[in-house]
Amino acid sequence: AQSVTQPDIHITVSEGASLELRCNYSYGATPYLFWYVQSPGQGLQLLLKYFSGDTLVQGIKGFEAEFKRSQSSFNLRKPSVHWSDAAEYFCAVGSLVGSQGNLIFGKGTKLSVKP
Amino acid sequence: NAGVMQNPRHLVRRRGQEARLRCSPMKGHSHVYWYRQLPEEGLKFMVYLQKENIIDESGMPKERFSAEFPKEGPSILRIQQVVRGDSAAYFCASSPQRAGAHEKLFFGSGTQLSVL
Repeated sequence: AQSVTQPDIHITVSEGASLELRCNYSYGATPYLFWYVQSPGQGLQLLLKYFSGDTLVQGIKGFEAEFKRSQSSFNLRKPSVHWSDAAEYFCAVGSLVGSQGNLIFGKGTKLSVKP
Repeated sequence: NAGVMQNPRHLVRRRGQEARLRCSPMKGHSHVYWYRQLPEEGLKFMVYLQKENIIDESGMPKERFSAEFPKEGPSILRIQQVVRGDSAAYFCASSPQRAGAHEKLFFGSGTQLSVL
């Protein structure tokens, strides 16, 4: 079955520390992968996406993610977290074949940033 | 440029009433997607529409839920005879054409439906 797993429900990091949010997927077809961020009361904003090419993808706000096919993972990283990064982060997967925007989302990881 | 507009932001209904959620896509976008986010869950795809057509409703519950995207006006997600389990955040997204690897979705801020 197609699924996305974000193992960490809630993560707290200190401002200025590095961050890694985990995402594992199970998908029969060739996947394309997304990370979205949701601030309280807001819609989802796309941070980055991967569909081919270089497996290390750069996104907005200083985020990057690495696609590792052998591990079925697409972890999100940031070298130095800012207080404004506190939000909920969602990993999502879709198909390159017949994609219609019906993405499969993980349950999300809530990020808290302490001063 | 206005983004994807959803209204109302919050909607309270009693069990058995009808809920109507509206979504105006970004200007120039003719493709609309509805997602539902239950508490402590990720977003779940419900339906994909183009103007006047339902393209994929594989995520829609079989009963009480319907969606439309008329030639003029916003897309409407309609829930008849609401039950407590319908309480969730409903998000709309739009794209200028069929979304794929090269086309991203733009999400609205959502409608929080609470059923008493």
